[in-house]
Amino acid sequence: QEQLVESGGGVVQAGGSLRLSCEASRFTFSIFGMHWVRQVVGKGLEWVAFIRGGDGREEKYADSVEGRFAISRDNSKNTLFLGMNGLRSEDTGVYYCVKGAGSDSGRDYAASWGQGALVTVSS
Amino acid sequence: EIVLTQSPATLSVSPGERATLSCRASQSISKYLAWYQQKPGQAPRLLFYDASNRATGIPARFSASGSGTDFALTISSLEPEDFAVYYCQQRSIWPLTFGGGTNVETK
Repeated sequence: QEQLVESGGGVVQAGGSLRLSCEASRFTFSIFGMHWVRQVVGKGLEWVAFIRGGDGREEKYADSVEGRFAISRDNSKNTLFLGMNGLRSEDTGVYYCVKGAGSDSGRDYAASWGQGALVTVSS
Repeated sequence: EIVLTQSPATLSVSPGERATLSCRASQSISKYLAWYQQKPGQAPRLLFYDASNRATGIPARFSASGSGTDFALTISSLEPEDFAVYYCQQRSIWPLTFGGGTNVETK
């Protein structure tokens, strides 16, 4: 079964930075588009960012994080990253690493999810 | 941005009963809709993709339908493990968006 394991969550002050990692296993990581999806505790889901499979040259971001967050990948280490700068209280939540279902466009469904990493931004 | 509106927000049903959940899109998304199930303390799980295609391992008591702007998820006879929050998600255009969820709770 496909596995995604996030790490790097924690408590950070408003305006600070954090970097999440997601180690993938049991599937060919390099060929799949990957996403980050977040969830405020007890609330709904919000798509955050996407990076294309292969060379990862295409990225997409939600307006709420554009210019502050950066998604990247290291296919040699089967790892996905999310760099977060200028963090705000509204960025608090559980961040899920998500494997796309394989859509050519990148606009995709969330086929597999990690267990999530909690990010808390304190003001 | 496509807004997905799920109704009802909460559905109170008894085990063995039928449950029907709705997801309405603010504009046509063709068939490009998925459904997810999320239980407390767990990540969501994909149930259906492209409106009506059942994901691997999803029981036959779950079905889904719809196209354009109106979609539905039906659970024919609720089992105890089906009480959870259900979300819809569209992949028609960027940004990907989710509905607000329907909480299926025990009556």
